[in-house]
Amino acid sequence: ILNVEQSPQSLHVQEGDSTNFTCSFPSSNFYALHWYRWETAKSPEALFVMTLNGDEKKKGRISATLNTKEGYSYLYIKGSQPEDSATYLCAFYYGGATNKLIFGTGTLLAVQP
Amino acid sequence: DAGVIQSPRHEVTEMGQEVTLRCKPISGHNSLFWYRQTMMRGLELLIYFNNNVPIDDSGMPEDRFSAKMPNASFSTLKIQPSEPRDSAVYFCASSPGIGELFFGEGSRLTVL
Repeated sequence: ILNVEQSPQSLHVQEGDSTNFTCSFPSSNFYALHWYRWETAKSPEALFVMTLNGDEKKKGRISATLNTKEGYSYLYIKGSQPEDSATYLCAFYYGGATNKLIFGTGTLLAVQP
Repeated sequence: DAGVIQSPRHEVTEMGQEVTLRCKPISGHNSLFWYRQTMMRGLELLIYFNNNVPIDDSGMPEDRFSAKMPNASFSTLKIQPSEPRDSAVYFCASSPGIGELFFGEGSRLTVL
């Protein structure tokens, strides 16, 4: 069974706080790791696609790191703003017999002004 | 580009009725995915097509569910007969290979 786990399940922070969440995935048959941002009543939008061990990606105040050997990725948000409130999903691209993208259940972030 | 287009956006039907959800992927994308979102299980993959061919349908819940992709610009997900536990938001997404997925806005299904 391919399991992608995210923690914490939810997070409430104050505006200006920095925060991070974790995505754990199988370390075998790794192909890629995706991060998506999913705002309420919208559809998920890609933040990062990461493929190499040690990859670090950055987009504005959001950054992500990848460790494929131990099977985890961190997403960091520096100086959280209310507009960062969303569910953050990671997805593991499994490169086995059939390629498939397996999503974690997400981390729900609420940023209080 | 119009993005991934799904229809209907909302559907309310009665138990036992047939439901057909439709998806038009982004032109040029060769992979198409159907996902279902529920409170209990989050976003779960139902089926995945590559170049119009179903590659992995292990996530399809049971025989009541079927999906087709007759050409590169159209896919359907059919539930027959529908049951209340099928109520969920169904997302279609397309991708140009193993890169990021582009999601449609989803079809919210309610089965009474």
